[in-house]
Amino acid sequence: EIVLTQSPGTLSLSPGERATLSCRASQSVRNYLAWYQQKPGQAPRLLISGASSRATGIPDRFSGSGSGTDFTLTISRLEPEDFAVYYCQQYGSLPRTFGQGTKVAIK
Amino acid sequence: EVQLVESGGGLVQPGGSLRLSCAASGFTFSNDWMTWLRQAPGKGLEWVANLNQGGSEKYFVDSVKGRFTISRDNAKNSLYLQMSSLRVEDTAVYYCARDSKGTFDSWGQGTLVTVSS
Repeated sequence: EIVLTQSPGTLSLSPGERATLSCRASQSVRNYLAWYQQKPGQAPRLLISGASSRATGIPDRFSGSGSGTDFTLTISRLEPEDFAVYYCQQYGSLPRTFGQGTKVAIK
Repeated sequence: EVQLVESGGGLVQPGGSLRLSCAASGFTFSNDWMTWLRQAPGKGLEWVANLNQGGSEKYFVDSVKGRFTISRDNAKNSLYLQMSSLRVEDTAVYYCARDSKGTFDSWGQGTLVTVSS
C-alpha cells in the first residue's frame, strides 16, 4: 500500500496570500496523483488530476506540480471560499490511498 | 448534471448488516467504474471498493475484504454496498463516486453508518 504524507497539517494564512501544500508518496506514483478540496459538511471536490491538470470548472489560481514521490498544490491568491481541507490521492495502484489532509485556515 | 444520491445508512449493532444504495443520474452509468469511499467522524478519506462497468471486476480495501460486497444494476442506474459483520470502526459517512480512471470526479452527499451497541 502506498502511503501519502501531507504537510503541513494546518496552514494559517490570510485572504490574498499564496498557499503551498505538499504531498509525499512512499513510492513512485508517476503522475497518478489527484487533489481534492473538502469543506465542512460537504463531499470532497476534485481539483487536480494527473498531478497538474485542473478539473472542469476549477479556477486557474489552483495549480499542481510534481511527479514520482513529491507533489505540490499551490493556490496563488487565497479567496475566502478556499479555506478548507485539502487531500491528495494516488491512483497509481490499488488500494487507492489518500493523504491525511492539510487544513487551510484563516489567520 | 451528474447526480449521485446515497441511501440506506443508519444505526446498526456490531456484527449486523446494512445495504447502501447509490442512485445515479445525469450520465451514462453503465459506461463508468464506480467506487465507494468512507470518512470516519473527524477523520480523513478512505477508499473502500470499486467495480467495473459490467460488475465483473471488483476490488476492496483489506479491512473490508470478506465482509463487504459491491454490486450494481445498470438497468436501474444504481450501485450497492452490502456490508456485513459490521464493526465499530466501520462507523463513517459513506460516499459513492464516479471513478474516472482512478480519480473521483463526482460524489454523492454521503450516508452515515453508525455501528454501536
